[in-house]
Amino acid sequence: GAGVSQSPSNKVTEKGKDVELRCDPISGHTALYWYRQSLGQGLEFLIYFQGNSAPDKSGLPSDRFSAERTGGSVSTLTIQRTQQEDSAVYLCASSFPDRGDTEAFFGQGTRLTVV
Amino acid sequence: AQSVTQLGSHVSVSEGALVLLRCNYSSSVPPYLFWYVQYPNQGLQLLLKYTTGATLVKGINGFEAEFKKSETSFHLTKPSAHMSDAAEYFCAVSESGGYNKLIFGAGTRLAVHP
Repeated sequence: GAGVSQSPSNKVTEKGKDVELRCDPISGHTALYWYRQSLGQGLEFLIYFQGNSAPDKSGLPSDRFSAERTGGSVSTLTIQRTQQEDSAVYLCASSFPDRGDTEAFFGQGTRLTVV
Repeated sequence: AQSVTQLGSHVSVSEGALVLLRCNYSSSVPPYLFWYVQYPNQGLQLLLKYTTGATLVKGINGFEAEFKKSETSFHLTKPSAHMSDAAEYFCAVSESGGYNKLIFGAGTRLAVHP
């Protein structure tokens, strides 16, 4: 696609429910990131996928958070047993570092509200 | 470990005044440096980047930044602020070559008043 696409754009869920957030990176991009941006806060790194390497999960805040990337393309971020503190905008980005291009292109984000 | 520090979470300038947003980084290897802008309710957009070569880089919307290795800085400037520049600005660093995870600073919110 022309850009990074995230869905849904908005998600309201009840505390304790599981949610899945989807990211479609730019076609051909080998690297994919998930970040979280809480209200008034900066960007918190969550997870990074690069090609076939093991993902860098060092930013995941708890074991309720997981992510996968199927076929080196689409990625899904799953939050289990959501808590109110999970409310934030979740941003996905992709890049093509293999060609020396580390610029990350961002999607519009998914705004998650846990009530 | 890499890190980025943005001095000043909020900066306010008058329209037409100089914009200066500060960014300092730490990196054990030559870094790639980036400035991104985020307008309200939108994703991040790249303003400019430094990889190699000329240390003064020009970006979109009249912004520029200078890489100063001795000061480990990459400050963002614009000679004359416009109202439309009001946004949040993020500095980021990645190691050149190989593993390229971006590390972002906490962001600086720029307000422009008439």
